[in-house]
Amino acid sequence: GAGVSQSPRYKVAKRGQDVALRCDPISGHVSLFWYQQALGQGPEFLTYFQNEAQLDKSGLPSDRFFAERPEGSVSTLKIQRTQQEDSAVYLCASSPRDRRLRTIYFGEGSWLTVV
Amino acid sequence: GENVGLHLPTLSVQEGDNSIINCAYSNSASDYFIWYKQESGKGPQFIIDIRSNMDKRQGQRVTVLLNKTVKHLSLQIAATQPGDSAVYFCAVPKPNSGGSNYKLTFGKGTLLTVNP
Repeated sequence: GAGVSQSPRYKVAKRGQDVALRCDPISGHVSLFWYQQALGQGPEFLTYFQNEAQLDKSGLPSDRFFAERPEGSVSTLKIQRTQQEDSAVYLCASSPRDRRLRTIYFGEGSWLTVV
Repeated sequence: GENVGLHLPTLSVQEGDNSIINCAYSNSASDYFIWYKQESGKGPQFIIDIRSNMDKRQGQRVTVLLNKTVKHLSLQIAATQPGDSAVYFCAVPKPNSGGSNYKLTFGKGTLLTVNP
């Protein structure tokens, strides 16, 4: 596709359930980012990949959060034992070159509601 | 850490008016700033950026002003249109962080509503 694609767009999970959120970056993009956006707030950095290497995971809020990008393309953000405070929009972004902030393209996000 | 905030959470303007959205930052070492537009149900979209060696930069109908003395930047939108209705964020990468300058810190955002 032409842009960053995320799925599912909407997910309702029961507390304690595991969820997996998928990101298809723009083809050929080297850098991939995950951000978390709570309602009424700005996005907050979670993790960064350069190709398949996860270079920074300092923003992941707990060890229940795990991200991977095994082949340097599609990425999955997994949240184990979801809790209500995990409810947020999870944004994926990609960039064609290493750390080029000006050319970061965001997807439309995966809206997670934990009930 | 970096605090990036906005003076006004909401702004309502008439179509055709000019809009000014403000942002304050706390780290005087910040040297690069980005404005994003986020429409309802969509991800942030890059609008314009500015480096700290400039105090003004213009794009198409948008101008960003940077005042490093008071650590303030603003986004001006000329002849605001209904399609400009969105939440606007300023964002700064972590300064002096060597290889970590990809981490963006976003402000809380300003909701701009354009009345026809």
